[in-house]
Amino acid sequence: AQSVAQPEDQVNVAEGNPLTVKCTYSVSGNPYLFWYVQYPNRGLQFLLKYITGDNLVKGSYGFEAEFNKSQTSFHLKKPSALVSDSALYFCAVRDLSNDYKLSFGAGTTVTVRA
Amino acid sequence: DAGVIQSPRHEVTEMGQEVTLRCKPISGHNSLFWYRQTMMRGLELLIYFNNNVPIDDSGMPEDRFSAKMPNASFSTLKIQPSEPRDSAVYFCASSLRKQGTGELFFGEGSRLTVL
Repeated sequence: AQSVAQPEDQVNVAEGNPLTVKCTYSVSGNPYLFWYVQYPNRGLQFLLKYITGDNLVKGSYGFEAEFNKSQTSFHLKKPSALVSDSALYFCAVRDLSNDYKLSFGAGTTVTVRA
Repeated sequence: DAGVIQSPRHEVTEMGQEVTLRCKPISGHNSLFWYRQTMMRGLELLIYFNNNVPIDDSGMPEDRFSAKMPNASFSTLKIQPSEPRDSAVYFCASSLRKQGTGELFFGEGSRLTVL
Protein backbone atom coordinates (compact mmCIF):
# COMPACT_ATOMS: atom_id res chain seq x y z
CA ALA A 1 0.00 0.00 0.00
CA GLN A 2 1.18 3.51 -0.76
CA SER A 3 0.99 6.39 1.68
CA VAL A 4 2.21 9.89 2.27
CA ALA A 5 2.99 11.74 5.49
CA GLN A 6 3.18 15.48 5.90
CA PRO A 7 4.53 15.83 9.43
CA GLU A 8 3.66 19.51 9.85
CA ASP A 9 0.08 20.75 9.95
CA GLN A 10 1.27 24.33 9.70
CA VAL A 11 4.34 26.19 8.52
CA ASN A 12 4.81 29.88 9.25
CA VAL A 13 7.51 31.96 7.60
CA ALA A 14 8.27 35.62 7.00
CA GLU A 15 8.10 36.99 3.49
CA GLY A 16 11.47 36.75 1.80
CA ASN A 17 12.60 33.80 3.91
CA PRO A 18 13.06 30.27 2.57
CA LEU A 19 10.03 28.00 2.69
CA THR A 20 10.14 24.23 3.15
CA VAL A 21 7.15 21.90 3.32
CA LYS A 22 8.03 18.35 4.28
CA CYS A 23 6.77 15.12 2.78
CA THR A 24 7.74 11.49 3.26
CA TYR A 25 6.26 8.57 1.39
CA SER A 26 5.90 4.82 1.44
CA VAL A 27 5.44 2.70 -1.69
CA SER A 28 6.26 -0.85 -2.70
CA GLY A 29 8.07 0.11 -5.90
CA ASN A 30 9.36 3.24 -7.57
CA PRO A 31 7.34 6.29 -6.58
CA TYR A 32 5.72 8.94 -8.72
CA LEU A 33 5.50 12.03 -6.52
CA PHE A 34 3.41 15.16 -6.87
CA TRP A 35 2.83 18.46 -5.11
CA TYR A 36 -0.44 20.39 -5.31
CA VAL A 37 -1.52 23.73 -3.85
CA GLN A 38 -5.03 24.72 -2.81
CA TYR A 39 -6.06 28.32 -2.28
CA PRO A 40 -9.19 29.07 -0.21
CA ASN A 41 -12.41 27.96 -1.88
CA ARG A 42 -10.53 26.70 -4.92
CA GLY A 43 -9.60 23.35 -6.39
CA LEU A 44 -6.16 21.78 -6.15
CA GLN A 45 -3.57 23.07 -8.60
CA PHE A 46 -0.64 21.00 -9.81
CA LEU A 47 2.78 22.42 -8.86
CA LEU A 48 5.33 19.81 -9.88
CA LYS A 49 6.07 16.12 -10.13
CA TYR A 50 8.95 13.67 -9.92
CA ILE A 51 8.82 10.72 -12.26
CA THR A 52 12.45 9.84 -12.95
CA GLY A 53 15.79 11.50 -13.62
CA ASP A 54 17.17 14.55 -11.84
CA ASN A 55 16.34 14.51 -8.15
CA LEU A 56 15.70 18.26 -8.14
CA VAL A 57 12.44 19.12 -9.84
CA LYS A 58 11.37 22.65 -10.70
CA GLY A 59 7.75 23.66 -10.93
CA SER A 60 5.30 26.52 -11.01
CA TYR A 61 5.53 29.81 -9.08
CA GLY A 62 9.23 29.34 -8.27
CA PHE A 63 8.75 26.13 -6.30
CA GLU A 64 11.07 23.16 -6.45
CA ALA A 65 11.25 19.81 -4.73
CA GLU A 66 14.04 17.37 -4.02
CA PHE A 67 13.53 13.64 -4.29
CA ASN A 68 15.60 11.69 -1.76
CA LYS A 69 15.25 7.96 -2.21
CA SER A 70 17.28 6.93 0.83
CA GLN A 71 15.17 9.12 3.11
CA THR A 72 11.95 8.47 1.17
CA SER A 73 11.30 12.19 1.14
CA PHE A 74 10.09 14.75 -1.37
CA HIS A 75 10.25 18.13 0.36
CA LEU A 76 8.86 21.22 -1.36
CA LYS A 77 10.99 24.35 -1.28
CA LYS A 78 10.96 27.95 -2.31
CA PRO A 79 14.02 30.16 -1.78
CA SER A 80 12.09 33.34 -1.04
CA ALA A 81 8.46 33.08 0.10
CA LEU A 82 5.74 35.54 -0.86
CA VAL A 83 2.59 36.45 1.05
CA SER A 84 0.69 35.07 -1.94
CA ASP A 85 2.19 31.63 -1.28
CA SER A 86 -0.07 31.31 1.77
CA ALA A 87 -2.21 28.27 1.00
CA LEU A 88 -2.75 24.57 1.72
CA TYR A 89 -0.15 22.26 0.19
CA PHE A 90 -0.61 18.58 -0.56
CA CYS A 91 1.97 15.95 -1.32
CA ALA A 92 0.78 12.87 -3.25
CA VAL A 93 2.29 9.56 -4.32
CA ARG A 94 1.46 6.91 -6.85
CA ASP A 95 3.31 3.68 -7.66
CA LEU A 96 3.35 1.52 -10.75
CA SER A 97 1.35 -1.24 -9.12
CA ASN A 98 -1.58 1.15 -9.03
CA ASP A 99 -1.09 3.53 -11.88
CA TYR A 100 -4.13 5.69 -11.35
CA LYS A 101 -4.64 6.06 -7.62
CA LEU A 102 -3.00 9.08 -6.05
CA SER A 103 -2.61 8.92 -2.29
CA PHE A 104 -2.68 12.41 -0.79
CA GLY A 105 -1.16 13.59 2.45
CA ALA A 106 -3.24 15.43 5.02
CA GLY A 107 -1.96 18.78 3.82
CA THR A 108 0.20 21.53 5.30
CA THR A 109 -1.11 25.04 5.77
CA VAL A 110 1.52 27.61 4.87
CA THR A 111 1.23 31.13 6.19
CA VAL A 112 3.65 33.76 4.95
CA ARG A 113 3.59 36.96 7.01
CA ALA A 114 4.51 40.31 5.57
CA ASP B 1 -8.65 25.44 -22.26
CA ALA B 2 -11.53 25.93 -19.83
CA GLY B 3 -10.27 23.34 -17.37
CA VAL B 4 -12.48 20.97 -15.45
CA ILE B 5 -15.94 22.46 -14.96
CA GLN B 6 -18.13 21.55 -12.02
CA SER B 7 -21.65 22.56 -11.13
CA PRO B 8 -23.20 23.66 -8.92
CA ARG B 9 -20.47 25.47 -6.97
CA HIS B 10 -22.65 25.54 -3.89
CA GLU B 11 -25.61 23.41 -2.93
CA VAL B 12 -27.68 23.61 0.22
CA THR B 13 -30.32 20.97 0.66
CA GLU B 14 -32.34 19.24 3.34
CA MET B 15 -31.77 15.76 4.61
CA GLY B 16 -33.46 13.17 2.44
CA GLN B 17 -33.29 15.17 -0.76
CA GLU B 18 -31.52 13.98 -3.89
CA VAL B 19 -28.34 15.80 -4.87
CA THR B 20 -26.71 15.66 -8.29
CA LEU B 21 -23.26 17.07 -8.91
CA ARG B 22 -21.98 17.53 -12.44
CA CYS B 23 -18.56 17.52 -14.06
CA LYS B 24 -17.17 18.27 -17.48
CA PRO B 25 -13.58 17.01 -17.79
CA ILE B 26 -10.87 18.53 -19.92
CA SER B 27 -11.30 17.55 -23.55
CA GLY B 28 -9.05 14.64 -24.51
CA HIS B 29 -8.55 13.36 -20.97
CA ASN B 30 -9.40 9.69 -20.57
CA SER B 31 -9.46 9.42 -16.78
CA LEU B 32 -11.95 11.00 -14.40
CA PHE B 33 -11.97 11.02 -10.62
CA TRP B 34 -14.44 12.11 -7.96
CA TYR B 35 -12.94 13.14 -4.62
CA ARG B 36 -14.50 14.31 -1.39
CA GLN B 37 -12.75 16.74 0.95
CA THR B 38 -13.60 17.22 4.61
CA MET B 39 -11.67 18.61 7.54
CA MET B 40 -11.83 15.31 9.37
CA ARG B 41 -10.92 12.91 6.57
CA GLY B 42 -8.99 15.07 4.12
CA LEU B 43 -9.16 14.09 0.45
CA GLU B 44 -10.87 10.78 -0.29
CA LEU B 45 -11.10 9.14 -3.69
CA LEU B 46 -14.69 8.11 -4.28
CA ILE B 47 -14.60 6.67 -7.78
CA TYR B 48 -12.34 6.46 -10.81
CA PHE B 49 -13.39 6.14 -14.46
CA ASN B 50 -11.13 5.24 -17.36
CA ASN B 51 -12.50 5.69 -20.89
CA ASN B 52 -15.96 6.25 -19.35
CA VAL B 53 -15.90 2.91 -17.53
CA PRO B 54 -15.91 2.78 -13.70
CA ILE B 55 -12.72 1.04 -12.65
CA ASP B 56 -12.57 1.58 -8.92
CA ASP B 57 -15.60 2.53 -6.83
CA SER B 58 -14.26 1.17 -3.55
CA GLY B 59 -14.30 4.65 -2.06
CA MET B 60 -18.01 5.23 -2.54
CA PRO B 61 -19.34 5.45 1.01
CA GLU B 62 -22.53 3.46 0.56
CA ASP B 63 -25.37 2.68 -1.79
CA ARG B 64 -26.74 6.17 -1.43
CA PHE B 65 -23.91 7.33 -3.66
CA SER B 66 -23.79 6.61 -7.37
CA ALA B 67 -21.74 7.97 -10.26
CA LYS B 68 -22.11 7.79 -14.00
CA MET B 69 -20.11 8.80 -17.03
CA PRO B 70 -22.35 8.46 -20.07
CA ASN B 71 -19.77 9.97 -22.41
CA ALA B 72 -16.26 11.37 -22.43
CA SER B 73 -17.38 14.90 -21.66
CA PHE B 74 -19.79 14.47 -18.77
CA SER B 75 -20.05 12.78 -15.40
CA THR B 76 -22.47 12.96 -12.48
CA LEU B 77 -22.26 12.08 -8.82
CA LYS B 78 -25.61 11.50 -7.18
CA ILE B 79 -26.51 11.19 -3.53
CA GLN B 80 -29.95 9.85 -2.73
CA PRO B 81 -31.10 10.32 -0.04
CA SER B 82 -28.67 12.90 1.30
CA GLU B 83 -27.65 13.05 4.96
CA PRO B 84 -25.95 15.79 7.02
CA ARG B 85 -22.74 13.73 7.17
CA ASP B 86 -22.47 14.04 3.38
CA SER B 87 -21.69 17.74 3.79
CA ALA B 88 -18.30 18.26 2.15
CA VAL B 89 -16.60 19.71 -0.88
CA TYR B 90 -16.76 17.34 -3.83
CA PHE B 91 -14.07 17.62 -6.47
CA CYS B 92 -13.95 16.24 -9.95
CA ALA B 93 -10.54 15.78 -11.57
CA SER B 94 -9.41 14.54 -14.96
CA SER B 95 -6.12 13.40 -16.42
CA LEU B 96 -4.44 11.49 -19.19
CA ARG B 97 -3.69 8.00 -18.02
CA LYS B 98 0.00 7.78 -18.89
CA GLN B 99 1.26 4.79 -16.94
CA GLY B 100 1.01 6.67 -13.70
CA THR B 101 2.86 9.81 -14.73
CA GLY B 102 -0.09 12.05 -15.53
CA GLU B 103 -1.04 14.76 -13.09
CA LEU B 104 -4.65 15.42 -12.12
CA PHE B 105 -6.45 18.61 -13.06
CA PHE B 106 -9.09 19.55 -10.52
CA GLY B 107 -12.28 21.51 -10.87
CA GLU B 108 -13.20 24.25 -8.43
CA GLY B 109 -15.37 21.90 -6.41
CA SER B 110 -19.00 21.69 -5.36
CA ARG B 111 -19.61 22.63 -1.74
CA LEU B 112 -22.52 20.59 -0.41
CA THR B 113 -24.35 21.42 2.78
CA VAL B 114 -27.04 19.03 3.94
CA LEU B 115 -29.23 20.43 6.71
